[in-house]
Amino acid sequence: QKEVEQDPGPLSVPEGAIVSLNCTYSNSAFQYFMWYRQYSRKGPELLMYTYSSGNKEDGRFTAQVDKSSKYISLFIRDSQPSDSATYLCAMSARAAGNKLTFGGGTRVLVKP
Amino acid sequence: EAGVTQSPTHLIKTRGQQATLRCSPISGHTSVYWYQQALGLGLQFLLWYDEGEERNRGNFPPRFSGRQFPNYSSELNVNALELEDSALYLCASSLNPDGTQYFGPGTRLLVL
Repeated sequence: QKEVEQDPGPLSVPEGAIVSLNCTYSNSAFQYFMWYRQYSRKGPELLMYTYSSGNKEDGRFTAQVDKSSKYISLFIRDSQPSDSATYLCAMSARAAGNKLTFGGGTRVLVKP
Repeated sequence: EAGVTQSPTHLIKTRGQQATLRCSPISGHTSVYWYQQALGLGLQFLLWYDEGEERNRGNFPPRFSGRQFPNYSSELNVNALELEDSALYLCASSLNPDGTQYFGPGTRLLVL
């Protein structure tokens, strides 16, 4: 079983819809939680960074962390065709030398 | 502010050869991380350098090695290349060991 599980998709939504993404994890030592966006053949781009449990909002993006359930989510409001990409969740723990452990990524397609 | 830069963008080698990949972190960042993104395997942590020292290593054989220079740039060396080393190699940097990791565009290595 992988440390971080993420549905590979693809997730297809119409323009303007809410995109809902999530990851589950098994390592309770994870403290830092991130969401990255990766366009085809490019490097990952940081979207959201959260420490421990709680919610964080930045523009159209909302990240949620529930450490008790070992579950994190990313919501994208008013989705645009330019949001079509692969979304990667990532986690780290200071005790593990801050290496990021990634989910496999969810491919999202926003249709005009 | 310039982001993380990597060179070359593409590299083609034959089995058994050596490959050298280079990374320049964001100005002021002291930590450099290397990740491998192989098809079907996702993003996997390779190495972490901070202040010129190797701080952590992922589950990769010793033929994957690297170093960090006094100006905090870094080099990843892969010896005795194998076909399965074909992947996108990503470098990330952070301001400090606890900081958010920002990724470069990657070097695509193809081993024939």
